[in-house]
Amino acid sequence: EAGVVQSPRYKIIEKKQPVAFWCNPISGHNTLYWYRQNLGQGPELLIRYENEEAVDDSQLPKDRFSAERLKGVDSTLKIQPAELGDSAVYLCASSSKTGGAGSYEQYFGPGTRLTVT
Amino acid sequence: LAKTTQPISMDSYEGQEVNITCSHNNIATNDYITWYQQFPSQGPRFIIQGYKTKVTNEVASLFIPADRKSSTLSLPRVSLSDTAVYYCLVDTGRRALTFGSGTRLQVQP
Repeated sequence: EAGVVQSPRYKIIEKKQPVAFWCNPISGHNTLYWYRQNLGQGPELLIRYENEEAVDDSQLPKDRFSAERLKGVDSTLKIQPAELGDSAVYLCASSSKTGGAGSYEQYFGPGTRLTVT
Repeated sequence: LAKTTQPISMDSYEGQEVNITCSHNNIATNDYITWYQQFPSQGPRFIIQGYKTKVTNEVASLFIPADRKSSTLSLPRVSLSDTAVYYCLVDTGRRALTFGSGTRLQVQP
């Protein structure tokens, strides 16, 4: 089974430039997450999708960040314009309830390492 | 969301058993306890999840006392490849996970 695919793996841009990250979740997973991970910290949620609907975007800086998940499959996260503080690893994860209670196991992609200069 | 506290770092040697304890005093009735592992340049990977008592899989064991205010991840006979950051989380349903800073485990030969 293919895992969560993200691209690009690395991106270097100058501040004020736009950037976009792409995520292809595991087939059949209806829940998709975008996290940001700063160096030495754990991932923090930016947005969560249930199918096409963004059900939790409270941590997404909406003045410069946007996301979409067309047709409830692939997703794109965009930053425009990027700032120096946006340098981080952007992780995509997906999950699907496999039965029983408890939090759903999330499968993470390798992430995109963004460097803003 | 329940906040978790775990040691910043731990050191061990190959072949030893490693126990990482996490405290979660404000855990809610419906919360489960989940542990993830993260290697450098990779996303976190699910290790184990439990609600109470003991859970064991092919990778680790999770011990949860009756009051559920803490939990212990046990890694039997660690190897160099177990060097990673380990995150303890509590959550329920499909809400996004709240990661802390994790425990950096260093396994030496």
